[in-house]
Amino acid sequence: QKEVEQDPGPLSVPEGAIVSLNCTYSNSAFQYFMWYRQYSRKGPELLMYTYSSGNKEDGRFTAQVDKSSKYISLFIRDSQPSDSATYLCAMKVNQGGKLIFGQGTELSVKP
Amino acid sequence: GAVVSQHPSRVICKSGTSVKIECRSLDFQATTMFWYRQFPKQSLMLMATSNEGSKATYEQGVEKDKFLINHASLTLSTLTVTSAHPEDSSFYICSATDGKNTGELFFGEGSRLTVL
Repeated sequence: QKEVEQDPGPLSVPEGAIVSLNCTYSNSAFQYFMWYRQYSRKGPELLMYTYSSGNKEDGRFTAQVDKSSKYISLFIRDSQPSDSATYLCAMKVNQGGKLIFGQGTELSVKP
Repeated sequence: GAVVSQHPSRVICKSGTSVKIECRSLDFQATTMFWYRQFPKQSLMLMATSNEGSKATYEQGVEKDKFLINHASLTLSTLTVTSAHPEDSSFYICSATDGKNTGELFFGEGSRLTVL
């Protein structure tokens, strides 16, 4: 079993839709949770960074962490074609620890 | 956010040659840099952790003699793929932390290596 599981998609939605991206994990020691966006042939860029459980909102993006269920989510409201990319979840046990990535979900937002 | 620059972005080489990829932190000092490898539609796999002034720590299964990592200064780490073969063709990405409390990682743009 992988430490971090993420559905690779692809996921295709119409412009304006709400997108829900999810990851599950097996290591209950993870405390730092991140979502990265990666455009084709580019390096990942950090979207959201969350410590422990709870919600965090930044513009159209909301990250949720449910440590009891070992489940994290990223919601994108009013999705735009420019949101089309691969979204990777990542997590680590402590600040200096190794970052473990999910496989990434490929998202396509159609105009 | 902090900027990490990676060079070259694309490189094509013949089998048996060596290729060097540079990773620079442009506006911060990176005490630790990380090198990842990514195959198409796959996740990022950590290859090694590089600390300035010391030997890199390699992940299990990564050949240290094959993938030479040097972190000679607080702003530069290099990855050299020695005696490259077609199976080494991949997307190599570096990242760096500025050592602040958040522990955030900043990624370079990646380098696509194609070995003919």
